[in-house]
Amino acid sequence: DVKVTQSSRYLVKRTGEKVFLECVQDMDHENMFWYRQDPGLGLRLIYFSYDVKMKEKGDIPEGYSVSREKKERFSLILESASTNQTSMYLCASRSTVSGNTIYFGEGSWLTVV
Amino acid sequence: AQSVTQLDSQVPVFEEAPVELRCNYSSSVSVYLFWYVQYPNQGLQLLLKYLSGSTLVESINGFEAEFNKSQTSFHLRKPSVHISDTAEYFCAVGLTGGFKTIFGAGTRLFVKA
Repeated sequence: DVKVTQSSRYLVKRTGEKVFLECVQDMDHENMFWYRQDPGLGLRLIYFSYDVKMKEKGDIPEGYSVSREKKERFSLILESASTNQTSMYLCASRSTVSGNTIYFGEGSWLTVV
Repeated sequence: AQSVTQLDSQVPVFEEAPVELRCNYSSSVSVYLFWYVQYPNQGLQLLLKYLSGSTLVESINGFEAEFNKSQTSFHLRKPSVHISDTAEYFCAVGLTGGFKTIFGAGTRLFVKA
């Protein structure tokens, strides 16, 4: 089974702090994604990476950056956390040969106070 | 551009009753279609998917969905629901050969005893 692991399930950070959300997948998938999930808005794509050191902006990249130095790891960075970034963050990965099926991690609940 | 519309934000239903969660999509190119389920405080899990071939696809826990190309729909059905089916369900569309997968806003299924 594919396993996508997000390092932190619950975080509380202060406004202005730099926040790192880490994600690791164990299936050698080329593509990795960061989404945020908010009630009534569904999932919105922040950034995705189609291979190592490659990244593309999603629909809501403002206030975020990403890093993918190794194939299995995709990090989301909040340069200066703000209260409107309080949300559930979901990491996901996908193989380019599996019919575009996306596999998700358990999610990271971030509260910015 | 592609879009996904889940027509019901919440669906309350009694245990052992049938249920249908509706999903419509728009796309000018061929798509893959997915249903994901999210139980409380967890990430999304793949429930079933349509890639090609038979338009009726089934999951291991009794859900099924039918791809209707003329109506651009992919409704999810179950003939008899259980309390344990209470969750949020997301319909998603992926382009064949593309990177992005578009998610609907979700439908919260609430099964009552």
